[in-house]
Amino acid sequence: GAVVSQHPSWVICKSGTSVKIECRSLDFQATTMFWYRQFPKQSLMLMATSNEGSKATYEQGVEKDKFLINHASLTLSTLTVTSAHPEDSSFYICSASPGTGGDYGYTFGSGTRLTVV
Amino acid sequence: DAKTTQPPSMDCAEGRAANLPCNHSTISGNEYVYWYRQIHSQGPQYIIHGLKNNETNEMASLIITEDRKSSTLILPHATLRDTAVYYCIVSPGGSQGNLIFGKGTKLSVKP
Repeated sequence: GAVVSQHPSWVICKSGTSVKIECRSLDFQATTMFWYRQFPKQSLMLMATSNEGSKATYEQGVEKDKFLINHASLTLSTLTVTSAHPEDSSFYICSASPGTGGDYGYTFGSGTRLTVV
Repeated sequence: DAKTTQPPSMDCAEGRAANLPCNHSTISGNEYVYWYRQIHSQGPQYIIHGLKNNETNEMASLIITEDRKSSTLILPHATLRDTAVYYCIVSPGGSQGNLIFGKGTKLSVKP
């Protein structure tokens, strides 16, 4: 089945530094990947849609200059949290679909726990 | 906003069937019903999806009403490892649509 690998699983960084999270589709090509954020005891919130070879589409209220998304190939999307602050501490999850039709489900990565100190 | 409504929590006895309802009265004709679950601190796990017919796989069954305005996920023999938050989502699917998560149902399977 479709597998999405996310790295790292967890990261601790100092306030003001930047952190990059990778999302890879291992056995399929994904022209589109999705990035979510989840705070404790809350549901997943869609942050942005990553499009291969073009600019990402951000959801309302998500700062595109703070959360840089790069989708340079059909199997890799990266999310960079720039100048991270403690309020950016969260669980970040990516997902992708192996196909364009609705009968293709979505596969999620295992998530990245970011802690900013 | 999520287009689905689910009860916030449910309990189920181990070994019994767990029936999780979902209301999606505003579903569009091209939207599928997807079910995912999330165990604490993990990425969501795919369970099943369907368009209008009932579906069954090794994990669960999905019953969709004829008018497609609601559905039920059935875990036939719940185990303690099925304790999780279950999300019902409607979406066109694939790379054409994204998944908007509601609050889901916290299923607690008890011995």
